[in-house]
Amino acid sequence: DAGVTQSPTHLIKTRGQQVTLRCSPKSGHDTVSWYQQALGQGPQFIFQYYEEEERQRGNFPDRFSGHQFPNYSSELNVNALWLGDSALYLCASSPVSSSEQFFGPGTRLTVL
Amino acid sequence: QKEVEQDPGPLSVPEGAIVSLNCTYSNSAFQYFMWYRQYSRKGPELLMYTYSSGNKEDGRFTAQVDKSSKYISLFIRDSQPSDSATYLCAISPGANNLFFGTGTRLTVIP
Repeated sequence: DAGVTQSPTHLIKTRGQQVTLRCSPKSGHDTVSWYQQALGQGPQFIFQYYEEEERQRGNFPDRFSGHQFPNYSSELNVNALWLGDSALYLCASSPVSSSEQFFGPGTRLTVL
Repeated sequence: QKEVEQDPGPLSVPEGAIVSLNCTYSNSAFQYFMWYRQYSRKGPELLMYTYSSGNKEDGRFTAQVDKSSKYISLFIRDSQPSDSATYLCAISPGANNLFFGTGTRLTVIP
């Protein structure tokens, strides 16, 4: 049983560019959450998707947007990248109505 | 005030020692409590999940929750070099977002 998978593993972008990160949830999970983890910090909640809709959002600007597909996979899009967006982006999946979240390996984004 | 406070360490212990990791939280609405282990440049791995006050044991790991004091702990018995990692506490009010501590970096010295 594959766990949560994310792609790509690493990404380098320049300021002002746009990026799309992808996530496939653990089998049997229908809820996907995205987190940003800066170096030396704990993960910060970006948003959560369920039934292809954004269910809850953390304190992140509108430059951060997402999507969930009918097969429960998800994308995180970040527009107008700036240096402060450099971080490990984590996807977590869970069954609906459960706070028990399982994380993928993350995508390390570097903005130059 | 942060939702969750965690001593960032670092913490170094000899192999075989008992390790105690702790977090405090501010909001009594939090109901679900988790500990994750994160190796360098990897995603967090769920170690313990609980939703009630008291102790929960899984092998060498024991999670302890005291809701009256808003205090949670993770104990690691007979620590091993392979336990060297960053340990993150995470707390949730329900089936949505998790609030994480900053993580405690643990090194177990052979």
